[in-house]
Amino acid sequence: GENVEQHPSTLSVQEGDSAVIKCTYSDSASNYFPWYKQELGKGPQLIIDIRSNVGEKKDQRIAVTLNKTAKHFSLHITETQPEDSAVYFCAASKQSNYQLIWGAGTKLIIKP
Amino acid sequence: EPEVTQTPSHQVTQMGQEVILRCVPISNHLYFYWYRQILGQKVEFLVSFYNNEISEKSEIFDDQFSVERPDGSNFTLKIRSTKLEDSAMYFCASSEQGNEKLFFGSGTQLSVL
Repeated sequence: GENVEQHPSTLSVQEGDSAVIKCTYSDSASNYFPWYKQELGKGPQLIIDIRSNVGEKKDQRIAVTLNKTAKHFSLHITETQPEDSAVYFCAASKQSNYQLIWGAGTKLIIKP
Repeated sequence: EPEVTQTPSHQVTQMGQEVILRCVPISNHLYFYWYRQILGQKVEFLVSFYNNEISEKSEIFDDQFSVERPDGSNFTLKIRSTKLEDSAMYFCASSEQGNEKLFFGSGTQLSVL
């Protein structure tokens, strides 16, 4: 079945710098790739998603890129701010089913 | 902003007891889900529910688990006879469309003693 690997497990960046989190997936039939942000004591919150017919999507300081050939996708956060500190999860799913397969998460720490 | 609400936030139970975890999905959403996260492990899919029936379930979702939408607003997960390994954070989610743009609740931390 599908497997999603996520790196790094922890990422510490200086406030104002950029952060990049990378994920790879195994099932070439996967066609939907969301990214979730989880703050302490809260559930995962969708921050951006991308479908396989698109290579890149941007929403203000957040962007996601997808390389279907290599089966990897990345989250880019520019001009990081303290409120960006959280755990970020990538996930993948196929059109033929309802389940998201999740990465293990990345703890992002923004240093002031 | 509409949100998915889950109750209780914490549930402690004895092994072998039945528990019911409750969720109120976003009102205009049609698809409902349960996921769980065991401490230190990945988030795992349990079940999806649409049009008053299970649309998909994982291997985890065995005969000890059941879901129900008893009225127009609640969505519940029942574990009939809890085991130690059922201890986890359980997340409810809902969406307008199948498997996209899921909105998650804050979770119920289940501890089985």
